[in-house]
Amino acid sequence: DVKVTQSSRYLVKRTGEKVFLECVQDMDHENMFWYRQDPGLGLRLIYFSYDVKMKEKGDIPEGYSVSREKKERFSLILESASTNQTSMYLCASETLGAGEQYFGPGTRLTVT
Amino acid sequence: LAKTTQPISMDSYEGQEVNITCSHNNIATNDYITWYQQFPSQGPRFIIQGYKTKVTNEVASLFIPADRKSSTLSLPRVSLSDTAVYYCLVGDVNNQGGKLIFGQGTELSVKP
Repeated sequence: DVKVTQSSRYLVKRTGEKVFLECVQDMDHENMFWYRQDPGLGLRLIYFSYDVKMKEKGDIPEGYSVSREKKERFSLILESASTNQTSMYLCASETLGAGEQYFGPGTRLTVT
Repeated sequence: LAKTTQPISMDSYEGQEVNITCSHNNIATNDYITWYQQFPSQGPRFIIQGYKTKVTNEVASLFIPADRKSSTLSLPRVSLSDTAVYYCLVGDVNNQGGKLIFGQGTELSVKP
């Protein structure tokens, strides 16, 4: 079975802190994605990557950056956390051309 | 990217067949239609994907008319455990770095 793991299920950070969310997949997938999910807004794509060191902006990249130094790992970085970044963050991966994304369990981030 | 429209919510009873229709008027030639299911506090899970006509797997069926401007997810004989949010997505899965857009989804509530 494909496994996508995220570093934390719950995280509480203070405004202005730098926050790292880590995602690891074990199926050698080319594509990896970061989404955030908020009530009434569904899932919104923040960034995605189709190869090591490659990244593309999604629909809401402002305030976020990403890093993909190894194929299996995709990190989301909040350079200076703000309260409007309180959300559920979901990571996903997929094999190129499959169209089937595998999601991690999510990280619920609260910024106070 | 093609935008999708689906009902915000639906109610059903155990044992009934449930059909959730998704509208995607601007679907492109290379786009596939994919459905995901999401339970509370979990990431979405792939259910089914199709390009045209009908696709069936052990979980659901997907009906796509010839003009491909809509699609219908059919869940046979639902149970309480099918209570979840169902997302319809349209996108070119073969496009490197291709993105899929998750809308708000349809919240299905199955009652005893």
